[in-house]
Amino acid sequence: AQSVTQLGSHVSVSEGALVLLRCNYSSSVPPYLFWYVQYPNQGLQLLLKYTSAATLVKGINGFEAEFKKSETSFHLTKPSAHMSDAAEYFCAVQYSSASKIIFGSGTRLSIRP
Amino acid sequence: NAGVTQTPKFRVLKTGQSMTLLCAQDMNHEYMYWYRQDPGMGLRLIHYSVGEGTTAKGEVPDGYNVSRLKKQNFLLGLESAAPSQTSVYFCASTLARSDAQYFGPGTRLTVL
Repeated sequence: AQSVTQLGSHVSVSEGALVLLRCNYSSSVPPYLFWYVQYPNQGLQLLLKYTSAATLVKGINGFEAEFKKSETSFHLTKPSAHMSDAAEYFCAVQYSSASKIIFGSGTRLSIRP
Repeated sequence: NAGVTQTPKFRVLKTGQSMTLLCAQDMNHEYMYWYRQDPGMGLRLIHYSVGEGTTAKGEVPDGYNVSRLKKQNFLLGLESAAPSQTSVYFCASTLARSDAQYFGPGTRLTVL
């Protein structure tokens, strides 16, 4: 079955440290890939989207993600964490333009002062 | 533009009661979705619509009904609420199926 897996339900980093949130999908066929962010008591907002134009995708708030077909991964990174990055992050995959989007279970990011 | 709005923001129901959640979007989007979000389970698709007058079942449709009589509105109904339907409900919309989805702020529903 097609799926998306986020490794780590909770990640904690120090302010200024590298942020790495992991996402793996289940098919080798290049899909549409998304990262969304959810701040407390809010809906999801799009961080970035992969559409095969480039393997490194830059998003808002300094985040970027790299598509690696050989590893079926789409990990999210940010060089230097800020307190305002504390939120829940969802990876999502869509295997074709006609299929439904599948969300991962989410990773809660905490930032230590 | 208001984007995607949801009404109400909070609701407490007793088991067996019914209610309707309203989602409205002002972006002229064709596709609209209802999700539920539960701890550790991400978002699960309840029902969706690919245009005015159409609806389709998602991953967890049981106990819910929907209607899309107008392009800008997507209603989610619970005919007989159960405690298992306690959740946060999100509506989303998108212009094309592979576009990023725009989400509403959510409705927190508690069924006692």
